[in-house]
Amino acid sequence: GAGVSQSPSNKVTEKGKDVELRCDPISGHTALYWYRQSLGQGLEFLIYFQGNSAPDKSGLPSDRFSAERTGGSVSTLTIQRTQQEDSAVYLCASSLSGWGGDEQFFGPGTRLTVL
Amino acid sequence: AQSVSQHNHHVILSEAASLELGCNYSYGGTVNLSWYVQYPGQHLQLLLKYFSGDPLVKGIKGFEAEFIKSKFSFNLRKPSVQWSDTAEYFCAVNEGGSNYKLTFGKGTLLTVNP
Repeated sequence: GAGVSQSPSNKVTEKGKDVELRCDPISGHTALYWYRQSLGQGLEFLIYFQGNSAPDKSGLPSDRFSAERTGGSVSTLTIQRTQQEDSAVYLCASSLSGWGGDEQFFGPGTRLTVL
Repeated sequence: AQSVSQHNHHVILSEAASLELGCNYSYGGTVNLSWYVQYPGQHLQLLLKYFSGDPLVKGIKGFEAEFIKSKFSFNLRKPSVQWSDTAEYFCAVNEGGSNYKLTFGKGTLLTVNP
C-alpha cells in the first residue's frame, strides 16, 4: 500500500551539470505527472504520461528538460546543463487514470539546489 | 489559460477560531476544483474535491468548500480550527472531463496558535 515515492529526496548540483530525478508511482496507476514547486512561482505542471500514449510535454520550461516513463511505471525527469533558476522542489503525482476527476496522489518531492 | 488566485498569503488564527480561505479561478467552462494541504515536513494531500453535483463539498478533518459558479469561487471553510491545522493550503483547478492538468494557486500559509 505504498504511496508515490521519489528519489533522491535532496540533490545539490553545480551549474551546468545534468541531473536525473526518479518517481515510482502507485502500483496500478496509469497516469503520472511531474510538477515543480518554486518560490514565487508556486506549483507548475511540467509533463503528463498516460499509459502508452504520447506524453503531454506542454509544461516543460525549456528543451533542457525531458522525461521518460519505462514500462508504464517508473519515470525519470532529466534536467541537462542545470541553471540556478532550476532550483525547486520537483513533485511527482500519479492517478488511477487520466480522467480529470481522479485524485492525484503526490510524492514527497525532490529538492534540487543548483549552486 | 486558466488561473487561480488565493488572496491570503498568510493567515494567523487562534485555536477554535473559524477559518475561511479564499480561492477564485478564471475559466468559463466546466471545472473540477480541489483543495490540497501540505503539513510541515509532509507531502501534498487532497483535502476535498468538487467535480459535479452538490456544490457544498465536505472533506477530511472537518473542512468543507462551496463552489459558487457565478462568483468563480471555491472558498475553504472550517468552523473551529486546531493547532494541528497549521499547514499550507493550495487551491487547484482543472478543466472538466478529461483534462488532467492541475493549475494551482500560490498557496495560503495557515498558522494556528494554541
